[in-house]
Amino acid sequence: NAGVMQNPRHLVRRRGQEARLRCSPMKGHSHVYWYRQLPEEGLKFMVYLQKENIIDESGMPKERFSAEFPKEGPSILRIQQVVRGDSAAYFCASSPRGGPSYNEQFFGPGTRLTVL
Amino acid sequence: QKEVEQNSGPLSVPEGAIASLNCTYSDRVSQSFFWYRQYSGKSPELIMSIYSNGDKEDGRFTAQLNKASQYVSLLIRDSQPSDSATYLCAPRKGGSEKLVFGKGTKLTVNP
Repeated sequence: NAGVMQNPRHLVRRRGQEARLRCSPMKGHSHVYWYRQLPEEGLKFMVYLQKENIIDESGMPKERFSAEFPKEGPSILRIQQVVRGDSAAYFCASSPRGGPSYNEQFFGPGTRLTVL
Repeated sequence: QKEVEQNSGPLSVPEGAIASLNCTYSDRVSQSFFWYRQYSGKSPELIMSIYSNGDKEDGRFTAQLNKASQYVSLLIRDSQPSDSATYLCAPRKGGSEKLVFGKGTKLTVNP
């Protein structure tokens, strides 16, 4: 029973390049969340998606960041023109459903992005 | 006022003792509360969820919730060195699906 899968686990980019982070939710889960953990900081919510829909992107920076969860395939978090401040661990979580209170989120192993 | 406050620690307890971790939150509308464990360099692992006032026990772990005081805690009985990690308190923000994390309490269990 595979858990949440993320790849790559480590990603190195130079300033100005693009970073693409992928997340496959647990089997049976249709809700995906992205969180970012900066060094020495707590986890911060970025975006919540269901298949083909962005439900809540209140935590996404206004520029350079985008996310999608297509009908087929993994969820993608895309960071354009990366800067050193984007260096962080990016975690994806999934849950079986949204809405009701009893909805637990399970985290993937994360992608550690380093911007040179 | 921070949305979620936890003592950063480190909290150090001897093996076999009870570790007590505390958390306060500011959102009065929050209805769901979660505790995650995060080992250094790893991802958060869900260990407890609690939705109603009172205590909820699962093995060596007991979560306690008091919504009137906006307080949630985690007790770890018979602490083991393998419990050494950072414990994250995460209420679900009222009216949304997002979890709001505290910075965590670092626990060290000494053999």
